[in-house]
Amino acid sequence: DGGITQSPKYLFRKEGQNVTLSCEQNLNHDAMYWYRQDPGQGLRLIYYSQIVNDFQKGDIAEGYSVSREKKESFPLTVTSAQKNPTAFYLCASSKVSRADEQFFGPGTRLTVL
Amino acid sequence: AQSVTQPDIHITVSEGASLELRCNYSYGATPYLFWYVQSPGQGLQLLLKYFSGDTLVQGIKGFEAEFKRSQSSFNLRKPSVHWSDAAEYFCAVYTGTASKLTFGTGTRLQVTL
Repeated sequence: DGGITQSPKYLFRKEGQNVTLSCEQNLNHDAMYWYRQDPGQGLRLIYYSQIVNDFQKGDIAEGYSVSREKKESFPLTVTSAQKNPTAFYLCASSKVSRADEQFFGPGTRLTVL
Repeated sequence: AQSVTQPDIHITVSEGASLELRCNYSYGATPYLFWYVQSPGQGLQLLLKYFSGDTLVQGIKGFEAEFKRSQSSFNLRKPSVHWSDAAEYFCAVYTGTASKLTFGTGTRLQVTL
């Protein structure tokens, strides 16, 4: 079945450590996205990529980094510069021509202790 | 810039009762509008979407939404709520800017038996 996988589902890290969240899709989509979700704030776009080896900042990119070496993969690194990293992180993908039609993964809950 | 407002943070309805979740958007032209549902700890599932044409849109799980340009609204409705509808509901708008969806802050639906 085609879809988006995110791993791990739960992640715990100590303050000051970088952590990388995985996102893989087998939908043959060119575009991929990372959103952050906090209670009462909806989803906010962190980064997005429309093609391999290229990506753009979203609304809240500070303290995060991404790479897009393969079409299927778009890992997100939460760096120690992110002031409040504890959140639920959602990955999504779409066809480039249909950025309005995004498919979401199950999410990763990151807790920084 | 576009924005989405969901004025109700939390709504409780009895099973079998009707439901209406409110969504207002701010955008100069007609946007693409969406409703997503999220079960606890899960990703987002698309319920329905409006692009153009008939202003009453049918979605999955018995949901419908009506686009009202004069009120800048896109309210979600269901005639008879089931206990399994308890979840968080997000309204979103896509305007083609920065290839992103802009989400409202969500409405959490509780269903009492």
